[in-house]
Amino acid sequence: NAGVMQNPRHLVRRRGQEARLRCSPMKGHSHVYWYRQLPEEGLKFMVYLQKENIIDESGMPKERFSAEFPKEGPSILRIQQVVRGDSAAYFCASSPPSGGGRNEQFFGPGTRLTVL
Amino acid sequence: GENVEQHPSTLSVQEGDSAVIKCTYSDSASNYFPWYKQELGKRPQLIIDIRSNVGEKKDQRIAVTLNKTAKHFSLHITETQPEDSAVYFCAAGSGSARQLTFGSGTQLTVLP
Repeated sequence: NAGVMQNPRHLVRRRGQEARLRCSPMKGHSHVYWYRQLPEEGLKFMVYLQKENIIDESGMPKERFSAEFPKEGPSILRIQQVVRGDSAAYFCASSPPSGGGRNEQFFGPGTRLTVL
Repeated sequence: GENVEQHPSTLSVQEGDSAVIKCTYSDSASNYFPWYKQELGKRPQLIIDIRSNVGEKKDQRIAVTLNKTAKHFSLHITETQPEDSAVYFCAAGSGSARQLTFGSGTQLTVLP
């Protein structure tokens, strides 16, 4: 059973370009979460999705950031017109379906975005 | 929303000694408290978690305690080893909200 997968692992973009980060959850997991980690800081929640639905996007900036989790394929975090302040590690996590209070989250290896 | 505070930010112990990291949370609705270990450049890995219906949980050298009244929980690592050196994050979440709110992390260094 493969763990959470993210790609690319490293992404370099110039200011103004678009960044697309992909996340495939663990098999059997239907909940996906995106977190951002700045150097030497903690993980900040961005968005929580289930298949075809955004459940909670309270941590995601209103401008330039969007996320989706289509019926088929990986979840995608999209950052338009990137700025230097977007440079960070972006981690995806997944958890099992609801029920029984099981909300353990398992993290992917992260995508390290560098904006030049 | 939830606010999680974690102390200390750095902790150095001698190999074989115990390490304790403490966290407080603000939302009384939180009922799930995981701890993650993150090595440099790696993903956070779940090492232990506790739910609000128990006060203590142990797994080999690692234990977590929870005081719901005071809204704080702690991670205890006994007989520390150099490979325990990493950043440890506490987090709090609720069954309904599901998202986790993380503490700011503790850099643990185990000195040989």
